[in-house]
Amino acid sequence: GAGVSQTPSNKVTEKGKYVELRCDPISGHTALYWYRQSLGQGPEFLIYFQGTGAADDSGLPNDRFFAVRPEGSVSTLKIQRTERGDSAVYLCASSLGGLSTGELFFGEGSRLTVL
Amino acid sequence: DQQVKQNSPSLSVQEGRISILNCDYTNSMFDYFLWYKKYPAEGPTFLISISSIKDKNEDGRFTVFLNKSAKHLSLHIVPSQPGDSAVYFCAASFKNTNAGKSTFGDGTTLTVKP
Repeated sequence: GAGVSQTPSNKVTEKGKYVELRCDPISGHTALYWYRQSLGQGPEFLIYFQGTGAADDSGLPNDRFFAVRPEGSVSTLKIQRTERGDSAVYLCASSLGGLSTGELFFGEGSRLTVL
Repeated sequence: DQQVKQNSPSLSVQEGRISILNCDYTNSMFDYFLWYKKYPAEGPTFLISISSIKDKNEDGRFTVFLNKSAKHLSLHIVPSQPGDSAVYFCAASFKNTNAGKSTFGDGTTLTVKP
């Protein structure tokens, strides 16, 4: 597709359950980012992939959060033992990577609601 | 400690007039500043950026001004149009291979009235 694609667009789950959120970046973009946006706040950095490897995971809030990008394209954000505080919109973004001015191309986000 | 702040949660402007959105930051080492625009139920869309070595960047109706001594930047939209109504996020990043790791403000909701 032409843009960053994220699935599901909405996910409602119960506290304690496991959740996977998927991101398909723009073709040819080597850099992939996950951000989280809580209500009334700006996006908050979670993790950055350059190719297949997680180059910077300093934004992951705790070890319940994990992300993979096994073939350097599609990425999955995995959240274990979900908590109500995990409710947010999870945004994926991609870019050409390398030295750049930081411009990101965002997907529409996956809205996660933990009951 | 919020490094990028947008102190005005909302702004209302008449169509055809100028919209000025403000952003303050605390870290003088930021290399790039970016503005994103977000419509409801969509992801943020890049609008315009400026390098820390410049004080102005213009793209059509959009101009960003950077005042490094005051650690302040602003986005000017002239003339404002109803389609500009959206949430605007200011963001800042460092110059390295991870320039996409941005720190965002909490956004300003702009409403342009016809």
